[in-house]
Amino acid sequence: EAGVAQSPRYKIIEKRQSVAFWCNPISGHATLYWYQQILGQGPKLLIQFQNNGVVDDSQLPKDRFSAERLKGVDSTLKIQPAKLEDSAVYLCASRRTGVTEAFFGQGTRLTVV
Amino acid sequence: DAKTTQPNSMESNEEEPVHLPCNHSTISGTDYIHWYRQLPSQGPEYVIHGLTSNVNNRMASLAIAEDRKSSTLILHRATLRDAAVYYCILLRNAGGTSYGKLTFGQGTILTVHP
Repeated sequence: EAGVAQSPRYKIIEKRQSVAFWCNPISGHATLYWYQQILGQGPKLLIQFQNNGVVDDSQLPKDRFSAERLKGVDSTLKIQPAKLEDSAVYLCASRRTGVTEAFFGQGTRLTVV
Repeated sequence: DAKTTQPNSMESNEEEPVHLPCNHSTISGTDYIHWYRQLPSQGPEYVIHGLTSNVNNRMASLAIAEDRKSSTLILHRATLRDAAVYYCILLRNAGGTSYGKLTFGQGTILTVHP
C-alpha cells in the first residue's frame, strides 16, 4: 500500500511569515497525527484526528498553529506567524482504528530564520 | 497518561543480540506496549507491539513481564542498519481522552559497532 505522503520536504521561511504543511494519509486510516520533532528530541504530539474530528490538541500552540482534516482524509497544518523556535521536523502519521501500527511520513523540515 | 522509562543509550556489536529495556510501572489494563524505531533522517517506523504475551515478528521479539510493568525489545542479531533511536510507547485501546494517543519519550539511542 502507498505510504503517508507529506509535502513539502523542506521549507525555509523568515520569522513572522506563515507556512502550511500537507499530509495525505494511507487510504482508510481513520486516525491522523501531527508531530513536531526538534533536533535531538523525541516527536511531540501536536494534534490527533479521528476521521475529521479532533481527539487531542492539548499540546498545539493554538495562538499560532492550526490544523484541519477536511472530509476525514487529507490534513493541513499551518503556522502563522512562525517563530525561530518552530524550526523542527513536522511529521504526519496515520493508523487504522484499533490496536494497529502507525505509519509515518518522511516529514517536513522547517527552518525559520 | 502512563509513562515509560528507557535508558538514554546502549551499544552493541554487530551480529550480537541486543536487549532494550523499558519500564512502565503505571501501565493500565487497556494499554498495549508498542515499539517504534527512528533511523537517521527518517520518520519513526513500527517494530512490534503486545499486550500480555511475548510476541515475535520478522524484525524483533517483545518480552513482557508477568506484571506488565516492564518489557524488553530483543534484536536477535544486530546489524549496522539497526542503529537507531528506539521508542517504547503505551497505546491505550479504550475510551477516554488517551484513546489511541501515541506519545513518544526520549527513547534509547542504539549504537551498533562493526
